[in-house]
Amino acid sequence: DTAVSQTPKYLVTQMGNDKSIKCEQNLGHDTMYWYKQDSKKFLKIMFSYNNKELIINETVPNRFSPKSPDKAHLNLHINSLELGDSAVYFCASSQGGKKTQYFGPGTRLLVL
Amino acid sequence: GNSVTQMEGPVTLSEEAFLTINCTYTATGYPSLFWYVQYPGEGLQLLLKATKADDKGSNKGFEATYRKETTSFHLEKGSVQVSDSAVYFCALPDYNQGGKLIFGQGTELSVKP
Repeated sequence: DTAVSQTPKYLVTQMGNDKSIKCEQNLGHDTMYWYKQDSKKFLKIMFSYNNKELIINETVPNRFSPKSPDKAHLNLHINSLELGDSAVYFCASSQGGKKTQYFGPGTRLLVL
Repeated sequence: GNSVTQMEGPVTLSEEAFLTINCTYTATGYPSLFWYVQYPGEGLQLLLKATKADDKGSNKGFEATYRKETTSFHLEKGSVQVSDSAVYFCALPDYNQGGKLIFGQGTELSVKP
């Protein structure tokens, strides 16, 4: 009964490939987020959706495209992967933008 | 915008030592404040939170008090265990920017037996 789940947990791929990461939450929340954690453990917001509508879009290359098919899911598609995309990507959810955010286990992406 | 400054690590302590990890913030208004913990190889877990000034958040022996006067939210534990070894993040939301969390840089704690 995992609250926020992500797949895959690990992803190793070659430069130039396209890959997707999936996130699902069963908390009944209406807001979902993607954060990126770099090699120094620094965490930064990438995107946020509320009720399937994009509300935060930080300065992220347009190779990254989030998609929210419904309130419980937020996927991240990355085109033309680069070495610098190697990071841990965390999904999170909350009820509205003012409530506590709960995080998934992370997806560790390594681009070779 | 809002910001968080967190004590740099790594911090190395012996088991049963007292722990303090400093966190100060700048914010518009009085947002909730959070401590998250990341155990080795795992995701982020909410450790504790405080929603208004003078609130004390506590969990698993850890405590932090929301101090408006000093704009601080220091994390403390009276007696650390080896199992507390992890990276600790102080965070606050920016409600003017969709509620995104602003994180401190993280403090790595290593507890030796």
